[in-house]
Amino acid sequence: GAVVSQHPSWVICKSGTSVKIECRSLDFQATTMFWYRQFPKQSLMLMATSNEGSKATYEQGVEKDKFLINHASLTLSTLTVTSAHPEDSSFYICSARDLGTGSGYTFGSGTRLTVV
Amino acid sequence: AQTVTQSQPEMSVQEAETVTLSCTYDTSESNYYLFWYKQPPSRQMILVIRQEAYKQQNATENRFSVNFQKAAKSFSLKISDSQLGDTAMYFCAFIQTTSGTYKYIFGTGTRLKVLA
Repeated sequence: GAVVSQHPSWVICKSGTSVKIECRSLDFQATTMFWYRQFPKQSLMLMATSNEGSKATYEQGVEKDKFLINHASLTLSTLTVTSAHPEDSSFYICSARDLGTGSGYTFGSGTRLTVV
Repeated sequence: AQTVTQSQPEMSVQEAETVTLSCTYDTSESNYYLFWYKQPPSRQMILVIRQEAYKQQNATENRFSVNFQKAAKSFSLKISDSQLGDTAMYFCAFIQTTSGTYKYIFGTGTRLKVLA
């Protein structure tokens, strides 16, 4: 089945630094990927839609300059948290859709970001 | 706006018993998809079952089945013969298909604990 690899699985960084999270579709091409943020014991909140070869579409309230998304190829989307602060600490999850397997999306295993 | 409501924050069930998780949604669309996802402590999102809105027959996947009531906008999940491995957070999700965006809208989740 469709597999989405997300890396790293966890990262600790200092305040003010930037962190890049990668999301790869391993056995299919994904023209669209989604990035979610999940706080402890809460649901997934969609941050942005990543479109291959074009600008990402951000949800209302998400700072596009803080959360930079790049989708340069059909199998890779990256989320860069710029000038990270402790309030950016969260669990970030990506997902992608394999058009060959129906309407459901496959999720990456998530990245736990801790900013100290 | 589309919304998904899960009114049961936490539930518990004895091993081998049956439990039903409720989900209601609100949409003005006629074509959409509904899903139940499981998120165990590993936080990997795992697709449990999906239902196409145009299908009247309720979806079934082994011990998991849904009761889809389109007119009532209800989509409950029944887990039969509950197993310890079913302990997880369960999210009901809706995909809107307008404009080809296919964005998930998640409910707030139900934490299910299966008791030995």
